[in-house]
Amino acid sequence: SYVLTQPPSVSVAPGETATITCAENNIGNKNVHWYQQKPGQAPVLVVYDDSDRPSGIPERFSGSKSGNTATLTITRAEAGDEADYYCQVWDNSSDHLVVFGGGTKLTV
Amino acid sequence: QVQLQESGPGLVKSSQTLSLTCSVSGGSISSVSSYWSWIRQPAGKGLEWIGRVYTSGGTNYKASLKSRVSISLDASKNTFSLKLSSVTAADTAVYYCARGIADQSFWFDPWGQGTLVTVSS
Repeated sequence: SYVLTQPPSVSVAPGETATITCAENNIGNKNVHWYQQKPGQAPVLVVYDDSDRPSGIPERFSGSKSGNTATLTITRAEAGDEADYYCQVWDNSSDHLVVFGGGTKLTV
Repeated sequence: QVQLQESGPGLVKSSQTLSLTCSVSGGSISSVSSYWSWIRQPAGKGLEWIGRVYTSGGTNYKASLKSRVSISLDASKNTFSLKLSSVTAADTAVYYCARGIADQSFWFDPWGQGTLVTVSS
């Protein structure tokens, strides 16, 4: 089965850069999508297809992928960025089809 | 822009069937490349995809839930629905509906606000 591994928590000082990783051996063959979920709210798409940003998402949010790891980078972190972040892929080679990472709690 | 809203009972008895409906506004449920999906999240835990329905009525489900899940679409009402049978306490979660976008891959945008369903004994 396809398992996406994220660190449970990441801390960053205000104004600094946060990096959240999502690892899997075959992730290079998949497009990775990222969601932000603030407490008590629904997830919001912040990056799709590895590095594209939906309209309305600040340029401070960016995605990249190298080797077995995808990364969500948040520059100039703000208190309002404090949330859970989830990566997700589509895996049509398995029964799971849609796979989410376990989530990372970002503390600013 | 497209908005989604879940509705349905917040309390379901164990062994019975959970039924939820998602109302879509601001766009047609018959939109090409849109797969209408259900995702759930137990309290304090991560996201779990349940399944999706296409405009044609075709469906895909998570393998481990396949025997208990049915997702259908009503284009005349611009809604889609989830039925999950034989529920147990493990099915207690916030249930989200979302539009799935199929391009090179598949992602979810936007999501409904979510609705808490509690399974009671």
